Amino acid sequence: GENVEQHPSTLSVQEGDSAVIKCTYSDSASNYFPWYKQELGKRPQLIIDIRSNVGEKKDQRIAVTLNKTAKHFSLHITETQPEDSAVYFCAASIMPPQFYFGTGTSLTVIP
Amino acid sequence: DTGVSQNPRHKITKRGQNVTFRCDPISEHNRLYWYRQTLGQGPEFLTYFQNEAQLEKSRLLSDRFSAERPKGSFSTLEIQRTEQGDSAMYLCASSSRVNHYEQYFGPGTRLTVT
Repeated sequence: GENVEQHPSTLSVQEGDSAVIKCTYSDSASNYFPWYKQELGKRPQLIIDIRSNVGEKKDQRIAVTLNKTAKHFSLHITETQPEDSAVYFCAASIMPPQFYFGTGTSLTVIP
Repeated sequence: DTGVSQNPRHKITKRGQNVTFRCDPISEHNRLYWYRQTLGQGPEFLTYFQNEAQLEKSRLLSDRFSAERPKGSFSTLEIQRTEQGDSAMYLCASSSRVNHYEQYFGPGTRLTVT
């Protein structure tokens, strides 16, 4: 099955700086890549996603890039704010419904 | 709140007991998913339903686990003869027939087996 690796496991940035989280996947057939944000004690929430026919997608301060050749995708958060502090999970899907999640990145934005 | 809801939010049980969790998806969503999440890990897929039909089960879903969605609305996940290794957060998610890629998660049920 698909194997998703996520790095780094923890990330601290100063408020206003950018944060980048990277994921790699193993199965070239994967075609959908969502990112979820999970605050402590709360449900995972979809923040952005990208499909395999697109190389980049942006939504305000959040962007995701996909490199199908290298089988990796990244989440970019610009102008970070303290409320961005959370655990971020990437996932890959060969076909719904099976999502294969990474192990998460705990992001701390220092005011 | 019109999102996915789960009950109970917390469950403490003794090893060997049976437990049942409930998930109510977003009302117009026809697909419902169960995941398990342990500390420091991402959610792991367990099973999913399209309407009332259970279409796929993960290898993680042992014989002690059973899930139902009898009327295509809410779903239950039962664990029989619980083991300490079953301690985890059990998450439910749902998606619509219009866009089944986007899964919306519930708050989860945290199970502790003592």
